[in-house]
Amino acid sequence: NAGVMQNPRHLVRRRGQEARLRCSPMKGHSHVYWYRQLPEEGLKFMVYLQKENIIDESGMPKERFSAEFPKEGPSILRIQQVVRGDSAAYFCASSQSGKVEAFFGQGTRLTVV
Amino acid sequence: SQQGEEDPQALSIQEGENATMNCSYKTSINNLQWYRQNSGRGLVHLILIRSNEREKHSGRLRVTLDTSKKSSSLLITASRAADTASYFCATDAKGNAGNMLTFGGGTRLMVKP
Repeated sequence: NAGVMQNPRHLVRRRGQEARLRCSPMKGHSHVYWYRQLPEEGLKFMVYLQKENIIDESGMPKERFSAEFPKEGPSILRIQQVVRGDSAAYFCASSQSGKVEAFFGQGTRLTVV
Repeated sequence: SQQGEEDPQALSIQEGENATMNCSYKTSINNLQWYRQNSGRGLVHLILIRSNEREKHSGRLRVTLDTSKKSSSLLITASRAADTASYFCATDAKGNAGNMLTFGGGTRLMVKP
C-alpha cells in the first residue's frame, strides 16, 4: 500500500503563473487535508475535503486558492496568479473515515520567482 | 501564543542524552500527536495520545498529556544522531470536523555524535 503521494516534489513558477499541486491519498482513504508550511514554521491547516465535497476551507485564502477532490483522481490544490509569498511547502494528508490518524505525503515545495 | 506551541524552539544535546520537548495548547482536544520532520522532508507520525490517556510509550519515546494544564511532553531517551530533526505537536480540537490538526512551531533538535 503506497503512502500518500504528492507531485511534483518541487515546483518553480514565475509570478502570475498558476501552480497545480496533486495529492493521491492512501488506498481506502476518503479524507484529504492540505497544509502549508513556511520556512522554520509549523504546518498551517488550509482545507479539508472528502470525495467531491469541501468540508472546511477556513484556512485557505479566499482569493487565488482553490481545492478539489473529484470522484476519480487525485486531490488538486490550485493557486492562481502566484506571488512570492506563496513560496512554501504544501503538504497533503489523508485519513480513513472515522479514523484519527492522518498520514502525510512528502510535500510539494513551491518556489515563486 | 498559538495552539500547539512547543518549547524549547531549539535543543542541542550529546548522543546518549535524553531530550525533552514540551507542547502547550489552548482548546479542548480529542487527541494530541507528535510528528518528526527531517530537514526538507515530509512528516513522520511518531505517537498519538488520546485526551483520556496520561502517558504513552513507543520504543525510546515517552509522551505525557496533562489536559488540566493543556500541555504535553515528548521524551526521547538515549538519543542518537539520527534523531536530529524538527519535532511538532499537533492537536485535534474537539468540535472539529474530520481530523484537522493544529500544529505548533516545532522544536529543532540537534543530537551531536
